[in-house]
Amino acid sequence: QKEVEQNSGPLSVPEGAIASLNCTYSDRGSQSFFWYRQYSGKSPELIMSIYSNGDKEDGRFTAQLNKASQYVSLLIRDSQPSDSATYLCAALTNNDMRFGAGTRLTVKP
Amino acid sequence: NAGVTQTPKFRILKIGQSMTLQCAQDMNHNYMYWYRQDPGMGLKLIYYSVGAGITDKGEVPNGYNVSRSTTEDFPLRLELAAPSQTSVYFCASRPWTGGIDEQFFGPGTRLTVL
Repeated sequence: QKEVEQNSGPLSVPEGAIASLNCTYSDRGSQSFFWYRQYSGKSPELIMSIYSNGDKEDGRFTAQLNKASQYVSLLIRDSQPSDSATYLCAALTNNDMRFGAGTRLTVKP
Repeated sequence: NAGVTQTPKFRILKIGQSMTLQCAQDMNHNYMYWYRQDPGMGLKLIYYSVGAGITDKGEVPNGYNVSRSTTEDFPLRLELAAPSQTSVYFCASRPWTGGIDEQFFGPGTRLTVL
């Protein structure tokens, strides 16, 4: 089974706070990992990708990967109301891309 | 580039009807995917293709069929529609460059089966 699991939330943080989103995956053969943001009624859009253990930073976003623990996370610093969306974690195993159920984030002004 | 396009945007089917959801991409991507997303849920992989003439099943292939006769097109066929197939269907494509390759999503098709 190639499962990707996320806390469904909802997660609510005040504006300016750090939002922390977590994801675990079951297939140790998974090579690459992705965080997508999805606004209601829209298609997913890529936020971050990561394939090496450690941290990867891009602006206010930091992705963390721990392959030994099969764990991926996304930190959003200085959260803005515009960050309110559902965040989907995905794992790529060979050519098979699987998604978690998503975590709904609300950033309150 | 138009990216990934999907038609139709919306469709209502009666139980037992059939239809084809169209997906096309103009980015010369090798990989194409079909997902369904039920309300409040994540994306479930239905089928994927690594190139023209090659397709493979994902998590939830039952009730669906695909074909990939060209690099650009990847239609999804629903035979004998059932209410359980009510969902939003997303098509996606991905290049292969040997690195971490982003999937590009189409705008989705909202299907209701009554």
